[in-house]
Amino acid sequence: DGGITQSPKYLFRKEGQNVTLSCEQNLNHDAMYWYRQDPGQGLRLIYYSQIVNDFQKGDIAEGYSVSREKKESFPLTVTSAQKNPTAFYLCASAKGPGDTQYFGPGTRLTVL
Amino acid sequence: DQQVKQNSPSLSVQEGRISILNCDYTNSMFDYFLWYKKYPAEGPTFLISISSIKDKNEDGRFTVFLNKSAKHLSLHIVPSQPGDSAVYFCAASAGGGADGLTFGKGTHLIIQP
Repeated sequence: DGGITQSPKYLFRKEGQNVTLSCEQNLNHDAMYWYRQDPGQGLRLIYYSQIVNDFQKGDIAEGYSVSREKKESFPLTVTSAQKNPTAFYLCASAKGPGDTQYFGPGTRLTVL
Repeated sequence: DQQVKQNSPSLSVQEGRISILNCDYTNSMFDYFLWYKKYPAEGPTFLISISSIKDKNEDGRFTVFLNKSAKHLSLHIVPSQPGDSAVYFCAASAGGGADGLTFGKGTHLIIQP
């Protein structure tokens, strides 16, 4: 069954802790993206990767880091430097840069 | 500064009628536009897209219209069904879309029986 998976669905962390959100796809897509959604807001781009071992900052990259060591995986780390980490995080992938993006189910992160 | 604007936070339409969702953009470099549908606590689902070389694209009950001179696009859903109740996001990209999408804030569509 092909698709994009994000785990876990819900995540709770204490303030000051780093946390890593998982995103995996078995669609053989080259491009992967991370967005965050806040209540009443659209999605905002955090980081994206057009190919393995390469990634670029999006509009709101501060306080986040990513890696792209494998084509299938694009984990996002929310660091303690992120001022307002509580949000709904969405991962997407596309066949190639510029192709239609397809989204995973999302991870809701709550920092206590 | 919002580059993609959906000025109606919510829209209520009777079942069977036409739903029209609107979206305006300010960046003249945008050349690819998409509509996504989203349920609470789920990822957005791709609905339909249009490139700037076209002014209309149709897929079943969904039609997207693009007016480049007015920097405006709209999504028409005919006929509206109860399952269409969701938040609809307009998104745009420039230069082929390789650098990610810019989203509007969404319009909550409510289909009334």
